[in-house]
Amino acid sequence: TQLLEQSPQFLSIQEGENLTVYCNSSSVFSSLQWYRQEPGEGPVLLVTVVTGGEVKKLKRLTFQFGDARKDSSLHITAAQPGDTGLYLCAGASRNSNSGYALNFGKGTSLLVTP
Amino acid sequence: NAGVMQNPRHLVRRRGQEARLRCSPMKGHSHVYWYRQLPEEGLKFMVYLQKENIIDESGMPKERFSAEFPKEGPSILRIQQVVRGDSAAYFCASSPTTENYGYTFGSGTRLTVV
Repeated sequence: TQLLEQSPQFLSIQEGENLTVYCNSSSVFSSLQWYRQEPGEGPVLLVTVVTGGEVKKLKRLTFQFGDARKDSSLHITAAQPGDTGLYLCAGASRNSNSGYALNFGKGTSLLVTP
Repeated sequence: NAGVMQNPRHLVRRRGQEARLRCSPMKGHSHVYWYRQLPEEGLKFMVYLQKENIIDESGMPKERFSAEFPKEGPSILRIQQVVRGDSAAYFCASSPTTENYGYTFGSGTRLTVV
């Protein structure tokens, strides 16, 4: 199992602030995905990054995949209360059994207050 | 266009009973994955199935747990003789191909063993 470390574990900020959360591993991944999960619901896919150094933007969210494909960051500009949730990163690596295995980090729990 | 459907949403079982969790993947998705989520531990991979085949069950306990994805009908995760430690949220996800560009998750089944 390839471990993904997410930081910070918890983050509480006020509406309008910017923030960055990180996802780090010592392993190389073929792709990395970010999900957001709200209480009582399943994770919802936000983005998949595949190429080292890739940057993807989704409205106020900017995702970056490290050059070595071992780490990623998520930057949120001008956070809003609707951004509140658990942000999970997941790394995909090919294995001989099943094509790809997806390993999740423990997540960053974000609270944005008005 | 329904997403991944899981039922029941909540399931309460006494120790020693059986729990059956059902998952219908998105239309057109033939790959199903089961994950378990415990507080503070993140999402843990259990099993990956395609129609009528178990591809990877490396994350599933060898005893009491089994999974199937028959030719017709939903995928079933079955836990026999449940114990308190089985209490968790169980999520099913599906994807259209083996290429790992992101899963669609269901809303989960929350199993409570009393």
